[in-house]
Amino acid sequence: AQSVSQHNHHVILSEAASLELGCNYSYGGTVNLFWYVQYPGQHLQLLLKYFSGDPLVKGIKGFEAEFIKSKFSFNLRKPSVQWSDTAEYFCAVNAQTGTASKLTFGTGTRLQVTL
Amino acid sequence: GAVVSQHPSRVICKSGTSVKIECRSLDFQATTMFWYRQFPKQSLMLMATSNEGSKATYEQGVEKDKFLINHASLTLSTLTVTSAHPEDSSFYICSARTLHPTVDYGYTFGSGTRLTVV
Repeated sequence: AQSVSQHNHHVILSEAASLELGCNYSYGGTVNLFWYVQYPGQHLQLLLKYFSGDPLVKGIKGFEAEFIKSKFSFNLRKPSVQWSDTAEYFCAVNAQTGTASKLTFGTGTRLQVTL
Repeated sequence: GAVVSQHPSRVICKSGTSVKIECRSLDFQATTMFWYRQFPKQSLMLMATSNEGSKATYEQGVEKDKFLINHASLTLSTLTVTSAHPEDSSFYICSARTLHPTVDYGYTFGSGTRLTVV
């Protein structure tokens, strides 16, 4: 079975600081990897995804993530955070086993950006 | 892009009654839909996988007779919480996935339904 670990549960940063959120997954086969963001009171939005190809993936709002297969990691980064980035961030993985492949989410990281 | 519409956004019901939540894919056909439950300040927990025209697959520990899922068409899946109790109060989210030959929409999420059982 696949599993996802997010080690940072709550991160507090000042505006303009750099961000890196850790995500490690456990699965022996080929996977698709995702980062979602959930702003307060809103639904999940896709930040970026990795299916194949270049392991450095660029997403919306200046976010990027790097897939390191040897480390089973897919860490999310942003060079300079803004107050509006305050939200909950979820890493997710699915095994490439067809249309019924399900997403498994990490426990989430709450990011708080202070002015 | 792909859009999933989920209704209602909020519902309050009395203990013992049933509540139906709808999830529609608006501009694509969703062969598979997923239902999640999210407790406050926690992650999304998959409840079941809904496949059009067949029975849903429930995750371990999820009561299929309590959480009835119907996926009668390629654009609509419903979750009915039967005989709701206060412990069923939660945020329910649906998600749709489809693998079009030339476009992979990945997973698109509905806006969620906040269920409160009183």
